[in-house]
Amino acid sequence: DAGVIQSPRHEVTEMGQEVTLRCKPISGHDYLFWYRQTMMRGLELLIYFNNNVPIDDSGMPEDRFSAKMPNASFSTLKIQPSEPRDSAVYFCASSPTGGGGYTFGSGTRLTVV
Amino acid sequence: QKEVEQNSGPLSVPEGAIASLNCTYSDRGSQSFFWYRQYSGKSPELIMFIYSNGDKEDGRFTAQLNKASQYVSLLIRDSQPSDSATYLCAGYGGSQGNLIFGKGTKLSVKP
Repeated sequence: DAGVIQSPRHEVTEMGQEVTLRCKPISGHDYLFWYRQTMMRGLELLIYFNNNVPIDDSGMPEDRFSAKMPNASFSTLKIQPSEPRDSAVYFCASSPTGGGGYTFGSGTRLTVV
Repeated sequence: QKEVEQNSGPLSVPEGAIASLNCTYSDRGSQSFFWYRQYSGKSPELIMFIYSNGDKEDGRFTAQLNKASQYVSLLIRDSQPSDSATYLCAGYGGSQGNLIFGKGTKLSVKP
């Protein structure tokens, strides 16, 4: 298995622009998670899905952030409009039912200027 | 608020020594715990998990869990410079599938 695949690896955008991050989880994993990591706040859970259904989005910072999972093999995290304080590394992770830990993707480093 | 607490470090140990990384958690209902290693600029990588009280060994790594004290630790024997990384402790809290991460301890192994 290729693991969790995220794209793009790096994204530089101007304030006010729309940003879309993409994730393909490991086949057969029922859970998908979106995290944001900064030096100050560490890893923050933004939202997670179980069987394509959003379960907990309480970590989404504000209405500018939205996430979708239209099928078991694809998810997006969208920021519209983006702001400089959104600059961070965004990780997608997936896990099977029953626990056992998460497998993380390689992350997207977002810079908003 | 369920929390996992770690000393941010940095923890510096000489090559060949034992590195001891510690973690406490607030949710008594947490049943399983995970240690992730994250190299600078890379994603977290799972290295150990533990479900039961006591010790679990895997090569140079030993995870320890004490549920009564709500304490988890990771020992790295014969530390190598390649072990220099940030180590994240995580425990399951809340509903199924939701890991709570600590902020991580940065380990530096000096040659």
